[in-house]
Amino acid sequence: DVKVTQSSRYLVKRTGEKVFLECVQDMDHENMFWYRQDPGLGLRLIYFSYDVKMKEKGDIPEGYSVSREKKERFSLILESASTNQTSMYLCASSSPRVSAEQFFGPGTRLTVL
Amino acid sequence: AQSVAQPEDQVNVAEGNPLTVKCTYSVSGNPYLFWYVQYPNRGLQFLLKYITGDNLVKGSYGFEAEFNKSQTSFHLKKPSALVSDSALYFCAVRTTGGSYIPTFGRGTSLIVHP
Repeated sequence: DVKVTQSSRYLVKRTGEKVFLECVQDMDHENMFWYRQDPGLGLRLIYFSYDVKMKEKGDIPEGYSVSREKKERFSLILESASTNQTSMYLCASSSPRVSAEQFFGPGTRLTVL
Repeated sequence: AQSVAQPEDQVNVAEGNPLTVKCTYSVSGNPYLFWYVQYPNRGLQFLLKYITGDNLVKGSYGFEAEFNKSQTSFHLKKPSALVSDSALYFCAVRTTGGSYIPTFGRGTSLIVHP
């Protein structure tokens, strides 16, 4: 069974902390994505990676960075967490074919106090 | 540019009745269309997709979707709704000649009443 796993389901952090969200996929996918999901706003793309060490900014990259040192792992970093980054964070992966569906992780619900 | 609209924030249907969740899209090339479902506190799960060919696509859990090129729509349907179908549904589009990045609609909350 194919899988995308995320390091935490729930996370509580303090304002100003550096936060790492980890995502691992076992499907050998080239493409990996980080989204945040907020009520009424749908999914918003933060960053996208199409290969190891390659990344592109999405719609809302401010306050975030990413790292992809290995094909199976894509990390999202909140350099200095703020309360407006409280959200559900979803990781996804897919093959590079334009017809390919995405596989999503279970999500990390982050609360910044 | 590509875009997706889900015109209804919420759809209510009685159990056993047919359901429709609407999606319209706008792309400059040929569309690849997807439906995903999200249960509470979970990630999204793929339901079905349209690539080419038959306009009626069948997917998981008895869902199907009809691609209509002239109306640029890809509505999700099920002949008989179950209470367990209650969830958030997302439509997404990619296009030939476009980027790897799909565009998602804002989601439609489906509530099936017993």
